[in-house]
Amino acid sequence: DSGVTQTPKHLITATGQRVTLRCSPRSGDLSVYWYQQSLDQGLQFLIQYYNGEERAKGNILERFSAQQFPDLHSELNLSSLELGDSALYFCASSGSWGERTEAFFGQGTRLTVV
Amino acid sequence: QKEVEQDPGPLSVPEGAIVSLNCTYSNSAFQYFMWYRQYSRKGPELLMYTYSSGNKEDGRFTAQVDKSSKYISLFIRDSQPSDSATYLCALRNSGNTPLVFGKGTRLSVIA
Repeated sequence: DSGVTQTPKHLITATGQRVTLRCSPRSGDLSVYWYQQSLDQGLQFLIQYYNGEERAKGNILERFSAQQFPDLHSELNLSSLELGDSALYFCASSGSWGERTEAFFGQGTRLTVV
Repeated sequence: QKEVEQDPGPLSVPEGAIVSLNCTYSNSAFQYFMWYRQYSRKGPELLMYTYSSGNKEDGRFTAQVDKSSKYISLFIRDSQPSDSATYLCALRNSGNTPLVFGKGTRLSVIA
């Protein structure tokens, strides 16, 4: 168990809809990263939050947004969903500056857009 | 040129073989190097974590980093069928920056 919890595990929704994915980081980790993994594709970095603030942005669509709350859990919001958004969405967490910096991943949310 | 290149395989080896997995990269700013194992599109599991050049060993796994050649390797000794998975290399600039992943190499160890 990595200590990173993601919910829900599976999500099936229709095109045009909006969904929210949730991530609880390991205890004490201030950074949360979101990644997308499409079929036969590698892990694509979407966005990073550190202690509530956006720290880095990757290839995240404008239809997607994220936030990190005071208790450090994070949510990824996906709106106006398209068939091509079907993918595995992972979050990872890591320690703060100067600490051990390994990144641990959750088990992911499998999103299917129909 | 992609930042991180990794042969996707598939790689098939007999049980007990030594497996060599590799990644090359172009960004000399990468300082931290990781290997993850991913089963059947489950969450990636951290196997090895190294900083800068050198070797690191953990049980049957050895990670090597050659920064001068921008080349990293993972060796698996006495491979087992349970090692069958996709292996992903991941690199980052500093301790709290996003990881950049290779596409992963699919490994099958045949009993």
